[in-house]
Amino acid sequence: DVKVTQSSRYLVKRTGEKVFLECVQDMDHENMFWYRQDPGLGLRLIYFSYDVKMKEKGDIPEGYSVSREKKERFSLILESASTNQTSMYLCASSEMNTEAFFGQGTRLTVV
Amino acid sequence: RKEVEQDPGPFNVPEGATVAFNCTYSNSASQSFFWYRQDCRKEPKLLMSVYSSGNEDGRFTAQLNRASQYISLLIRDSKLSDSATYLCVVNPGGSYIPTFGRGTSLIVHP
Repeated sequence: DVKVTQSSRYLVKRTGEKVFLECVQDMDHENMFWYRQDPGLGLRLIYFSYDVKMKEKGDIPEGYSVSREKKERFSLILESASTNQTSMYLCASSEMNTEAFFGQGTRLTVV
Repeated sequence: RKEVEQDPGPFNVPEGATVAFNCTYSNSASQSFFWYRQDCRKEPKLLMSVYSSGNEDGRFTAQLNRASQYISLLIRDSKLSDSATYLCVVNPGGSYIPTFGRGTSLIVHP
C-alpha cells in the first residue's frame, strides 16, 4: 500500500518559533510538493521538488523554506511562524503526469 | 483566468439523484486529468483518472472533452456517503506540477 506520511497530524506553535513539518514517501517518486489549504482558497502550492536537493518556489513561498536531502523525505520549514500561517498543510508526491498521493495533512495552529 | 475552474457549489441533492460536475482548464497542452475526493478535514484521495475515451467506475463516470477543454464527473444513484468535495486536477504538459481546482462541494441528503 503506497504511503505518504506526515510527521504530525496536529501541531500548536507559538509566534516566532521555527517549525519543521516532515513528509516521507515510500513510492520512490521523483516529485514532492507542499501545499496549504484554507477555506475558500483551495490548495495553494508552497514549494515543490523534482529531485534530491532540487526545489522550486510555488505560488506562496514567502515565509517558508524546504529541504530535500533524500529522495523519500521533503521537509517544510516555517522560519518564524506567524498567525497567518495557521492552516492545513498537505504533502504530496507523484511521478510526472501521474496521480499525486497525499499525506494525511498537518493542521497547524500558530498562537 | 484561473488555470482550472470549478463551480464551488454546494450541490445539494437527494439520495438516488444523478449529479454532474464540470471542470474547465486553460492549458490546451494538458496531458493527464484526474478527479479527487476530499472529505472534511481529510486529505484528497484519487477518485478516478480521466481518459480520452471516457471511463466508468461503478456509479461514477468521467469524461474528457479536449476540444472544449473540460472534464466532467457524473455520479449516478447518489448515496449519503458521496457527500464530499470533488477536486478536478490537471497535469499541464511538460510541467511537474499538478494543478488543482478549488473543488465542488456535494451534499447528499436523505
